[in-house]
Amino acid sequence: NAGVTQTPKFRVLKTGQSMTLLCAQDMNHEYMYWYRQDPGMGLRLIHYSVGEGTTAKGEVPDGYNVSRLKKQNFLLGLESAAPSQTSVYFCASSPNRQDGSEAFFGQGTRLTVV
Amino acid sequence: GENVEQHPSTLSVQEGDSAVIKCTYSDSASNYFPWYKQELGKRPQLIIDIRSNVGEKKDQRIAVTLNKTAKHFSLHITETQPEDSAVYFCAASMNTGFQKLVFGTGTRLLVSP
Repeated sequence: NAGVTQTPKFRVLKTGQSMTLLCAQDMNHEYMYWYRQDPGMGLRLIHYSVGEGTTAKGEVPDGYNVSRLKKQNFLLGLESAAPSQTSVYFCASSPNRQDGSEAFFGQGTRLTVV
Repeated sequence: GENVEQHPSTLSVQEGDSAVIKCTYSDSASNYFPWYKQELGKRPQLIIDIRSNVGEKKDQRIAVTLNKTAKHFSLHITETQPEDSAVYFCAASMNTGFQKLVFGTGTRLLVSP
């Protein structure tokens, strides 16, 4: 049971380049999330999805797009990378439970934009 | 929207001492309060959580308390060990058709032998 898997683990981009981060979960979770983690700022929600075919904006969505064509996959795209997008990106998933439930995180992607 | 504040940002203790990390939240509708531990270079992992119908929960050396009136919750680690050294994040969420976790900014705990 792999849980939540992110690819790639590391990436260096030049300003203006584009890329897609892939998140896959094998726990049949309804909810999936993309967070970015910056020093001193905790984990901030970029976009999220409540089910296959749905996406919604989180706290810091600008410069990112997402898609969830299959329940087990959640893709995060950067169309034109900027240095401000240098960060560690975490994908997470959780089941749909009314009183709250654990979010399971992927291992993270360290992105550097130069 | 929900806002979560976490203190202190860094905490240094001697092995065997207790450590306490405090969080406050802004939205009284929040009903789920997890704590995550993140070791250096690793993913955040849940260590304990509490729901709004409970005031305290304990799991071996860690415990969490919740004061809904004051809108704050705390993580208590007793008999700290060097392997407890990590960054700890609190979070709060409410379910309005979707559970959206809002995280605190983290506490770096250093346990010295």
